[in-house]
Amino acid sequence: GNSVTQMEGPVTLSEEAFLTINCTYTATGYPSLFWYVQYPGEGLQLLLKATKADDKGSNKGFEATYRKETTSFHLEKGSVQVSDSAVYFCALGYSNYQLIWGAGTKLIIKP
Amino acid sequence: DTAVSQTPKYLVTQMGNDKSIKCEQNLGHDTMYWYKQDSKKFLKIMFSYNNKELIINETVPNRFSPKSPDKAHLNLHINSLELGDSAVYFCASSDPGQGRYEQYFGPGTRLTVT
Repeated sequence: GNSVTQMEGPVTLSEEAFLTINCTYTATGYPSLFWYVQYPGEGLQLLLKATKADDKGSNKGFEATYRKETTSFHLEKGSVQVSDSAVYFCALGYSNYQLIWGAGTKLIIKP
Repeated sequence: DTAVSQTPKYLVTQMGNDKSIKCEQNLGHDTMYWYKQDSKKFLKIMFSYNNKELIINETVPNRFSPKSPDKAHLNLHINSLELGDSAVYFCASSDPGQGRYEQYFGPGTRLTVT
């Protein structure tokens, strides 16, 4: 069946460090892929998406590339800030009515 | 303009009580969802409605009953609340036409059962 696997957290980095949060998926067909961010005490916000192989989604300095050959959608940012501290979710969309969610990765950025 | 709104934001109640959470979206979406997020941040889909019709009904105790009076509203009623119901409940909506699967979330309702 369809599934999403994210790296376990928490991930702790210093400000201005390079960030990678790994996400791999299992799916039949051609799903869309998403990254969501959840800041403390808030709902989930769509951060970026990609709808087909080799697409790169980007927003707020974050990027992720849809790699069909490695079934991956890793989230990257070149220089993180304290304000990026949040929980990040990778998700897979394969039907009209459901997303398959990863377990979330908590990111802590220290000044 | 809030796209997906939920009320209340916090709900503290005792075991055995009945409570409701309301959700409204002004995005014009046809599909709405209820999720439960536990203390480890794991998200679990509970229900989904499309144009007021129930289309996803995951394994959820029948103490939970969704109601969609129109496609802009999806409410969640919980009977006989238990300690294990304590969690954050999120409403979401989407417009899945033409393969747009992304969902838009409300701010959440933190339910605490004592």
